[in-house]
Amino acid sequence: AQTVTQSQPEMSVQEAETVTLSCTYDTSENNYYLFWYKQPPSRQMILVIRQEAYKQQNATENRFSVNFQKAAKSFSLKISDSQLGDTAMYFCAFMKHGATDKLIFGTGTRLQVFP
Amino acid sequence: NAGVTQTPKFRILKIGQSMTLQCTQDMNHNYMYWYRQDPGMGLKLIYYSVGAGITDKGEVPNGYNVSRSTTEDFPLRLELAAPSQTSVYFCASSSGQVPYNEQFFGPGTRLTVL
Repeated sequence: AQTVTQSQPEMSVQEAETVTLSCTYDTSENNYYLFWYKQPPSRQMILVIRQEAYKQQNATENRFSVNFQKAAKSFSLKISDSQLGDTAMYFCAFMKHGATDKLIFGTGTRLQVFP
Repeated sequence: NAGVTQTPKFRILKIGQSMTLQCTQDMNHNYMYWYRQDPGMGLKLIYYSVGAGITDKGEVPNGYNVSRSTTEDFPLRLELAAPSQTSVYFCASSSGQVPYNEQFFGPGTRLTVL
């Protein structure tokens, strides 16, 4: 069975600085997808970034980028130029290729951005 | 385009009561999902559906039932509510298209069972 581990329950960063959130996962699959979701106080789950395991290039979306290390089963999220609006819970999630159902979530990291 | 909508936003139930959480999507997605999020935890899959008339269990289905009579609607039924069902419930939908199956989430329903 797949598992997703986020070992940092809470992180904080000053506005305009850079922060990295960690995620590791365990799977025997070769083809899969990884996601980072943001959950602000409004509770809405928002997709931040996704990575296909067959792609070696790390995904980037504006200020958000990932460091995907397939052999190490590591998928960290880097937020550059942090903004107050980045304050939220961040969840790492795994999906097996071809799976129609199973997003496996980590327990989340609470990020606080300070002015 | 409203996306995925859920009603109600909040609800308090007494032990043993029943209720239905409503979920509707207007994106013509075939796949729909129900998750629960317990405090300090990630989301866990309760039930999912790959199309009208087809449903299947996820990781934590006990105490819940679902139906899918239309593409748009995917209600979640709680029978005989228990305190262990106190949680935030999220509905999600996706197109089911490859290469990946991005899920779009509703705003959630906070349920408290006392």
